Amino acid sequence: NAGVTQTPKFQVLKTGQSMTLQCAQDMNHNSMYWYRQDPGMGLRLIYYSASEGTTDKGEVPNGYNVSRLNKREFSLRLESAAPSQTSVYFCASSEDGITQETQYFGPGTRLLVL
Amino acid sequence: GDSVTQMEGPVTLSEEAFLTINCTYTATGYPSLFWYVQYPGEGLQLLLKATKADDKGSNKGFEATYRKETTSFHLEKGSVQVSDSAVYFCALRSSSARQLTFGSGTQLTVLP
Repeated sequence: NAGVTQTPKFQVLKTGQSMTLQCAQDMNHNSMYWYRQDPGMGLRLIYYSASEGTTDKGEVPNGYNVSRLNKREFSLRLESAAPSQTSVYFCASSEDGITQETQYFGPGTRLLVL
Repeated sequence: GDSVTQMEGPVTLSEEAFLTINCTYTATGYPSLFWYVQYPGEGLQLLLKATKADDKGSNKGFEATYRKETTSFHLEKGSVQVSDSAVYFCALRSSSARQLTFGSGTQLTVLP
């Protein structure tokens, strides 16, 4: 079991460039999440997907789009990167999305926007 | 809205010292409470959790008790090791929310 995997591990972009962060899980989980981690702020939810075919905005969705390609994969796209999007991005998954359930996190993608 | 306030770091301890990292929360209803740990260069891993008042979560020598009367979930360990050096995040999830709400994290360094 690989758990939650993310690619790439590290990326440098110029302002205005686009890119897609990939996430996949092999635990047959229904719910998947994208968070960003900024210094001194903990993690904040960008988007989530409760099940295949559905996506919803989180706390900080502006400048991002997502696609739940199938049950395993949930991608995050930056259409026109800005320096404010420099951050570490974590994908997570959970079985059903209920309150007491554990979320499992990937290793993260470190993004630098110049 | 939901929020988590966590003891600011960084915290530096000697090996075998006692550890407490304070965490208090604001939430509607009866949230579930979590401690996650992030080792250098890695993603977050669940350390322990508690889903109702007075529950005690424990793992790897770490403990935390869900105190509804004080809205707290403090993390403790009796004797820390160098390998415990990491960032620790307190988090909650209320029944009305989809996401976890995280504290800002506490960096712990344990010196030999």
